[in-house]
Amino acid sequence: DGGITQSPKYLFRKEGQNVTLSCEQNLNHDAMYWYRQDPGQGLRLIYYSQIVNDFQKGDIAEGYSVSREKKESFPLTVTSAQKNPTAFYLCASSKAGGDTQYFGPGTRLTVL
Amino acid sequence: DAKTTQPPSMDCAEGRAANLPCNHSTISGNEYVYWYRQIHSQGPQYIIHGLKNNETNEMASLIITEDRKSSTLILPHATLRDTAVYYCIVATDNNDMRFGAGTRLTVKP
Repeated sequence: DGGITQSPKYLFRKEGQNVTLSCEQNLNHDAMYWYRQDPGQGLRLIYYSQIVNDFQKGDIAEGYSVSREKKESFPLTVTSAQKNPTAFYLCASSKAGGDTQYFGPGTRLTVL
Repeated sequence: DAKTTQPPSMDCAEGRAANLPCNHSTISGNEYVYWYRQIHSQGPQYIIHGLKNNETNEMASLIITEDRKSSTLILPHATLRDTAVYYCIVATDNNDMRFGAGTRLTVKP
């Protein structure tokens, strides 16, 4: 069953702690993306990667870091430098940079 | 900033067609029009996209005006499960997608 998985669905952390969100896809897609969504708002691009071992900053990269060591995995670390980390985080992938994006179910991060 | 303008909310009766408008007056020649929808607390779902011709798939139809400054997404027979936020996006490729606030469509019985 192909798709994009994000785990966990809900995540709680204390302020000042780094936290890593998982995103895995078995669609053999080259490109992967991370978005952030705040209540009642649209999605904002954090980072994207068009190929393994390469990634680019999106509109709101400050306070976040990513890695792309494997084609199927694109983890996002929310660092303590991110001022307002509580949000809904969405991962997506596409066959290549110019193709339709498919989204995972999202991870809702709450920092207490 | 999103390059599109959509009404914040719309209602539709179950079984009727839902017509969701989108203005994109600054669209350039190489930009596509994409539509996604997001059901509460889930990831967005791709619906359809087009460049200048009208498009139809199993989910919806996309009508793009001749000057490409606006478009309409049509759900031909709306069901309660079509209640969602619908996003209209213009982009040259998926790396340039900007999701605005979208239109919250409520399908009523």
